[in-house]
Amino acid sequence: KAGVTQTPRYLIKTRGQQVTLSCSPISGHRSVSWYQQTPGQGLQFLFEYFSETQRNKGNFPGRFSGRQFSNSRSEMNVSTLELGDSALYLCASSYDRGSYEQYFGPGTRLTVT
Amino acid sequence: DQQVKQNSPSLSVQEGRISILNCDYTNSMFDYFLWYKKYPAEGPTFLISISSIKDKNEDGRFTVFLNKSAKHLSLHIVPSQPGDSAVYFCAASDDGGFKTIFGAGTRLFVKA
Repeated sequence: KAGVTQTPRYLIKTRGQQVTLSCSPISGHRSVSWYQQTPGQGLQFLFEYFSETQRNKGNFPGRFSGRQFSNSRSEMNVSTLELGDSALYLCASSYDRGSYEQYFGPGTRLTVT
Repeated sequence: DQQVKQNSPSLSVQEGRISILNCDYTNSMFDYFLWYKKYPAEGPTFLISISSIKDKNEDGRFTVFLNKSAKHLSLHIVPSQPGDSAVYFCAASDDGGFKTIFGAGTRLFVKA
């Protein structure tokens, strides 16, 4: 069974631009969560999607948004990029809501210059 | 407000010895705790977990201990191997696993 895939793996953007990251969960997994990893901050929860609906949201500004499609694939969008948005963005999938174990993709390394 | 804290950014251990990674939490509603391991250029992978109704869970060389009164958990790796060198994240979940909070991670170095 293929793992969680994320595209692109690396991205360089300029301040003020917007970016879209993509995540394909493990086949059969219906819950997708997004995390931001920065040095010293660990993994900060962004949001969780299940059945095309955002079910949970972390403490991030409205510039961060996402969506989930009917095939459970998910996208994350960040508008008006700031230098502080430079981070590793990780997507994780789980079979269902309430499944404690999550399966992570390799992440997308976003650099904002 | 960091609800899950890993106060040691790094830990260095000799091969064959015990590695002890610590984690503290503040939210008494957490009912499930997990440890993930992360290698460079890879996403975190699940390692071991423990429910709040237990105080110990063992899986091979890995044992997690939970002290609810102290709101503290630890991961023991015995014996430590060079391949264990990675960043270890402690995570806690409440509300039936719908939201998981991660610590900042501890980088473990196992020296041969």
